[in-house]
Amino acid sequence: KAGVTQTPRYLIKTRGQQVTLSCSPISGHRSVSWYQQTPGQGLQFLFEYFSETQRNKGNFPGRFSGRQFSNSRSEMNVSTLELGDSALYLCASSLEGNNQPQHFGDGTRLSIL
Amino acid sequence: DAKTTQPPSMDCAEGRAANLPCNHSTISGNEYVYWYRQIHSQGPQYIIHGLKNNETNEMASLIITEDRKSSTLILPHATLRDTAVYYCIVRVYSGAGSYQLTFGKGTKLSVIP
Repeated sequence: KAGVTQTPRYLIKTRGQQVTLSCSPISGHRSVSWYQQTPGQGLQFLFEYFSETQRNKGNFPGRFSGRQFSNSRSEMNVSTLELGDSALYLCASSLEGNNQPQHFGDGTRLSIL
Repeated sequence: DAKTTQPPSMDCAEGRAANLPCNHSTISGNEYVYWYRQIHSQGPQYIIHGLKNNETNEMASLIITEDRKSSTLILPHATLRDTAVYYCIVRVYSGAGSYQLTFGKGTKLSVIP
């Protein structure tokens, strides 16, 4: 079974631009969560989507948004990029329920110049 | 905030058992304990999870105390490839069917040849 796939693996942008990252979950997984990882703040939860609806959101500004498609694939968008948005962005998918582990992709490393 | 406390670092000799402790004194009755590890530049890898009984899989064993206030992850025969940051996480219900992982700083395990 294929794991969680994130594209692209690496991305370089400049301040003020916007970026879209993509995540393909494990087949059959309908829950998709996004995380940001930086050296200073560690791994922080961004948001979770289930059945095309955002059902949980972390403490990030509105410049960070996402969506989920009917096939459970998800995208996240960051607008008006800032230097501090440089990070590893991770996507995780799971089956429904508290007893179902989230499985992570290897992330997209975003660098802002 | 993370509901867990872990030592920042540990060393283990190759071939010996690695025992990684975690305190979660405020855990609620229906909250699971999850363990993940992260090798540099990769996404977190799911290891094991449990509610109150001890659990074992092909990667590790999880021992949860009877009062559920602490747990220990056991890697029975550590290899150099087990060098990673290990995260102990209490998965919390966030409403609307969403269960959130809140990562702390984890334990950096170094396996020594």
